[in-house]
Amino acid sequence: EVKLLESGGGLVQFGGSLRLSCAASGFTFSSYAMSWVRQAPGKGLEWVSSISGSGGSTYYADSVRGRFTISRDNSKNTLYLQMNSLRAEDTAVYYCTKGSARFLGSGIFFDYWGQGTLVTVSS
Amino acid sequence: QSVLTQPPSVSGAPGQRVTISCTGSSSNIGAGYDVHWYQQLPGTAPKLLIYGNNNRPSGVPDRISGSKAGTSASLAITGLQAEDEAAYYCQTYDSSLSGLWVFGGGTKLTVL
Repeated sequence: EVKLLESGGGLVQFGGSLRLSCAASGFTFSSYAMSWVRQAPGKGLEWVSSISGSGGSTYYADSVRGRFTISRDNSKNTLYLQMNSLRAEDTAVYYCTKGSARFLGSGIFFDYWGQGTLVTVSS
Repeated sequence: QSVLTQPPSVSGAPGQRVTISCTGSSSNIGAGYDVHWYQQLPGTAPKLLIYGNNNRPSGVPDRISGSKAGTSASLAITGLQAEDEAAYYCQTYDSSLSGLWVFGGGTKLTVL
């Protein structure tokens, strides 16, 4: 059974930093791309960042590029999201998602989701 | 403002058929990229419902189906049940915008 367990969310001040983690189990972690998708309170889903199975390719939404860094440790089956220079608009539930393939192609979709971790940025 | 446009809400009585549209453009759905659909029950994480335009993951009933034509896609639910009340999101790839993998704004389905 695929399981994705996020942690690291919480309350942080404007301009602060936070690192999210996602512990994965139930599949061969290094064989799949992974992504972070967020959902602001009462709003829709927004893709944030993705990383290939090997970690060699990464992609970011414009809204977070230069502030967020996605990474993974395949020896620990763990995905990370380092978030710096946080803004009020970053307040959201952050979901860890498993990609449908190893490489980040155009057809990729998110076939498993974690329960999410809430990040609140206060001013 | 989402790249993919969905109606904010739809509703139907138990047993009825409802459809949810997802309208894109020539840089996403119209470019031939696959459309995927997710269901988010209240207070829970999204769940994959349809992938590759019209494929159901194991466990999704066949009364749920997807289709795509031109720059739009649709999700159809027949034999509506109370448990279908949820938010539904379409997703695809966009070749022109800052967000490579994009979602629709979501549609809230209410079962009357």
